[in-house]
Amino acid sequence: NAGVTQTPKFRILKIGQSMTLQCTQDMNHNYMYWYRQDPGMGLKLIYYSVGAGITDKGEVPNGYNVSRSTTEDFPLRLELAAPSQTSVYFCASSEALLSNQPQHFGDGTRLSIL
Amino acid sequence: GEDVEQSLFLSVREGDSSVINCTYTDSSSTYLYWYKQEPGAGLQLLTYIFSNMDMKQDQRLTVLLNKKDKHLSLRIADTQTGDSAIYFCAVYSGGYQKVTFGIGTKLQVIP
Repeated sequence: NAGVTQTPKFRILKIGQSMTLQCTQDMNHNYMYWYRQDPGMGLKLIYYSVGAGITDKGEVPNGYNVSRSTTEDFPLRLELAAPSQTSVYFCASSEALLSNQPQHFGDGTRLSIL
Repeated sequence: GEDVEQSLFLSVREGDSSVINCTYTDSSSTYLYWYKQEPGAGLQLLTYIFSNMDMKQDQRLTVLLNKKDKHLSLRIADTQTGDSAIYFCAVYSGGYQKVTFGIGTKLQVIP
């Protein structure tokens, strides 16, 4: 069982480049999330989705875009990479809104902007 | 908004008990979680507690919730080297999946 799969695992970008972080889940979860994790900080929610075709901003959405065309996939797009976006990005999914059901996390994408 | 605080680091000897503490600010918090993150991996849910509970035990793990002081703790009995990881406290206070995470406590287990 794959769970939540993120690709790539590592990436180095130059300032101003764009890229898409891929996230797919095979658990048929409606709810999906993107977080960033910075050293010494907790996870910050970037965007979330409550189902295909529905996305909404989290706490730190600036500089990012998302789409949710299918239940399985929730890609995160960086249009103009900036050094402040150097971070570890985690995708997660969950079955239910009220979370006695856990969020399942991918292994993360480590992104460096130079 | 919700604020969740944890200490950064805890060191214990193998076989001892570990207690990781967390405080939060929103008294309407309904679900409180503990996640474990091992190096190079995502977060894995360890356990959770509802706000109408004071304690929950799950094998070596004991979660204590003091609602009056808005304090949550995770006790790991007979701590093993495999327990070395970062432990995140997280709190759900309502709305669409607005789970707030603490900064994580790094647990070091000394053999």
